[in-house]
Amino acid sequence: GAVVSQHPSRVICKSGTSVKIECRSLDFQATTMFWYRQFPKQSLMLMATSNEGSKATYEQGVEKDKFLINHASLTLSTLTVTSAHPEDSSFYICSARATAINTEAFFGQGTRLTVV
Amino acid sequence: LAKTTQPISMDSYEGQEVNITCSHNNIATNDYITWYQQFPSQGPRFIIQGYKTKVTNEVASLFIPADRKSSTLSLPRVSLSDTAVYYCLVGDIRTYNTDKLIFGTGTRLQVFP
Repeated sequence: GAVVSQHPSRVICKSGTSVKIECRSLDFQATTMFWYRQFPKQSLMLMATSNEGSKATYEQGVEKDKFLINHASLTLSTLTVTSAHPEDSSFYICSARATAINTEAFFGQGTRLTVV
Repeated sequence: LAKTTQPISMDSYEGQEVNITCSHNNIATNDYITWYQQFPSQGPRFIIQGYKTKVTNEVASLFIPADRKSSTLSLPRVSLSDTAVYYCLVGDIRTYNTDKLIFGTGTRLQVFP
């Protein structure tokens, strides 16, 4: 099946620094990718929809200036957590679907971000 | 997007059949039902998808009654490795390609030896 790869799988950073997370669709093109955040014992919360070649669409309550999303190609979307704080520590997951209709969503393995 | 309701958690023992039911009373004509499985510290993965009646694959079966207001994911003879969170989602097949997936609470299945 199709593969979505996320990198890094885990990262520790200091407060105030920025962290970039990459999401790649390895064997298909994705015009749309999605970014989720998940806290322990909770469900996935959609943060934003990443559209290739255009601005991302953010969900209500998600700061677009803090969570920068870039979807520069049909196989790569990046999420940058700017000026990270301990409360940004979470599990970040990206998702993509192939352009063909009636297909399931494919998810990356997730990135565990710890801000110290 | 149709809202879904699932039990928060379920317990089972190895070798038993597990049935997880999801309610989606407001499902629309063009909506499909999809189930995902998530292990700790991993992204979700697709299990099964269906529109009506019964769908079966190598992992599970999905039962959907005629009114489609609910669906049941059936896992035959579960093992410890089936311990995970299972999510039921409903979405329009015509726009599935670009529609955002909104996850509900999911059902946390714990399988005991």
